[in-house]
Amino acid sequence: GAVVSQHPSRVICKSGTSVKIECRSLDFQATTMFWYRQFPKQSLMLMATSNEGSKATYEQGVEKDKFLINHASLTLSTLTVTSAHPEDSSFYICSARWGSGTQPQHFGDGTRLSIL
Amino acid sequence: AQKVTQAQTEISVVEKEDVTLDCVYETRDTTYYLFWYKQPPSGELVFLIRRNSFDEQNEISGRYSWNFQKSTSSFNFTITASQVVDSAVYFCALGMDSSYKLIFGSGTRLLVRP
Repeated sequence: GAVVSQHPSRVICKSGTSVKIECRSLDFQATTMFWYRQFPKQSLMLMATSNEGSKATYEQGVEKDKFLINHASLTLSTLTVTSAHPEDSSFYICSARWGSGTQPQHFGDGTRLSIL
Repeated sequence: AQKVTQAQTEISVVEKEDVTLDCVYETRDTTYYLFWYKQPPSGELVFLIRRNSFDEQNEISGRYSWNFQKSTSSFNFTITASQVVDSAVYFCALGMDSSYKLIFGSGTRLLVRP
């Protein structure tokens, strides 16, 4: 089945640090990748949608300059949390899909980010 | 507006009981897709099923079954003879072909006790 790899799985760092999270589709070319955020015991909230080679589309309320998304190839997207603060601590999950709406999104294992 | 409602926040059952997780959706699109995902304590999301709006056939996969009813805008998920390993948070999601986005419900936490 389709495999999406997300790295790192856990990050603990000091306030003010920028953190980069990678999302890779291992056995398919991802035409679209998505980034979600999940607070404890809450649902997944879509942060942004990115298509290879174009700028990401951010959801309302998500700061573009805070959460930088790069989708440089059909197999890799990165999310950089710039100058992270404790309120950015969360579980970040990426997903990837190919083709049209008939294809499901396949999710990475998530990254647990803790800002001290 | 699109919306997914999972009214059951938490369900606790004893092993071998059957359990049904409810999902009600709202959309004005005629073409849409419904999904169920499982999120075990480790955090990853596991894809369980996808159903498009034109296919109302119910589906069974082992102990899992899904009941899609457009008349009530529901896509319920039943686990038969539940097992401890079924303990997880289950999310129902709605996808529109036009936007590729997924809208998730708030999730139902299922605890299966031995």
